[in-house]
Amino acid sequence: SYVLTQPPSVSVAPGQTARITCGGNNLRSKPVHWYQQRPGQAPVLVIYDNTDRPSGIPERFAGSKSENTATLTISGVEAGDEADYYCQVWNFISGQWDYVFGAGTKVTVL
Amino acid sequence: EVHLSESGGGLVQPGGSLRLSCAASGFTFDSYDMTWVRQAPGKGLEWVSSVTGNGRRTYYADSVKGRFTISRDNSKNTLSLQMDILRAEDTATYYCAKGRKAADDAFDFWGQGTMVIVSS
Repeated sequence: SYVLTQPPSVSVAPGQTARITCGGNNLRSKPVHWYQQRPGQAPVLVIYDNTDRPSGIPERFAGSKSENTATLTISGVEAGDEADYYCQVWNFISGQWDYVFGAGTKVTVL
Repeated sequence: EVHLSESGGGLVQPGGSLRLSCAASGFTFDSYDMTWVRQAPGKGLEWVSSVTGNGRRTYYADSVKGRFTISRDNSKNTLSLQMDILRAEDTATYYCAKGRKAADDAFDFWGQGTMVIVSS
């Protein structure tokens, strides 16, 4: 089965920049989406199609992709950005439909 | 405003059954794929099942194939998940989520989730 690899944790001081990576085989050919999940809450979409931000998501959140690694960058980190972040792709091979999530990255604001 | 609200969770014994529902509002329900995603306590997100907008095609994770059945009633804007032969490892919060556009697209709205506990 397809695997997305994320670092377990990232720590960042307020006002600094957090970068969360997501790696996968042949990821260059797949749109990557990112979700934020604050403690006790449902996930929220923050980036779709590698780089696009849904309405209402601050410009501080940016997505990028290079070769087989996607990156979520949070600029000017705030206390409220402390959450788990998941990358996700759709994998369709040999008629098998599969949505794959990374294991998640816990962002801690110091 | 899009709103998704799950219900039907609870405590069930191993081998038992449970039916989850998700009431949707604020969008043209039958125009979008719908999906169930679950999260075991302290763990990450796991895709469970999806259904196309017209309900004709359904998809399942291997972990639930043959035990769970997804369906939708477009006349009532409701998504359902029938869960049979439940196992301890099915214990999780179950979220319903709306597909944004195409199959390879993101889930742009999520419900608040309903908790399922499988235990004797």
